[in-house]
Amino acid sequence: ETGVTQTPRHLVMGMTNKKSLKCEQHLGHNAMYWYKQSAKKPLELMFVYSLEERVENNSVPSRFSPECPNSSHLFLHLHTLQPEDSALYLCASSLRAGTGAKSPLHFGNGTRLTVT
Amino acid sequence: AQKITQTQPGMFVQEKEAVTLDCTYDTSDPSYGLFWYKQPSSGEMIFLIYQGSYDQQNATEGRYSLNFQKARKSANLVISASQLGDSAMYFCAMRYTGNQFYFGTGTSLTVIP
Repeated sequence: ETGVTQTPRHLVMGMTNKKSLKCEQHLGHNAMYWYKQSAKKPLELMFVYSLEERVENNSVPSRFSPECPNSSHLFLHLHTLQPEDSALYLCASSLRAGTGAKSPLHFGNGTRLTVT
Repeated sequence: AQKITQTQPGMFVQEKEAVTLDCTYDTSDPSYGLFWYKQPSSGEMIFLIYQGSYDQQNATEGRYSLNFQKARKSANLVISASQLGDSAMYFCAMRYTGNQFYFGTGTSLTVIP
């Protein structure tokens, strides 16, 4: 299997639920990202991991908790979400800065999250 | 401050014609990279083309070319011989320092048969 794989593709959860989004990359990249895409808004960077260390956290509420156990896997743990958190969540990977300045982001297919 | 600007929320083009999608950017860093992505209705973001700030020539990838005007800070995407499958959202992005990528708001392209 190649590329960036995200599961699940669709998720419906209540505000009191706890769920996790999973991302796996098979491209040999060493940086991984979570983006949120809402309608009519630019992509919002949530978290960046470089060599499994979190290097960016763009003021994301604590109800979103990332985890990067190794350079190939990235999780986003969700708990007590709000309806406005409904969006497409995109995982991406690249070579980290300094080793691949030309390296583009490679995205997964995304998880369409609906919070009821 | 917004670093990437795409001023065309929606564009239409006749099949087999060429279309230009605009992108301007703002950075004081001399070293940066510019990227274009396509997002069909399925949601996946597909990388199309890359232009480095020090590249002397405009990037080309098949039917895609990038009209890079450094002094004007613009990096417009040109799609030649449009096909129905080109209908999608198109995003311009920039990477300069660190691992961050900045995205524009996107342009919705519709190819008319």
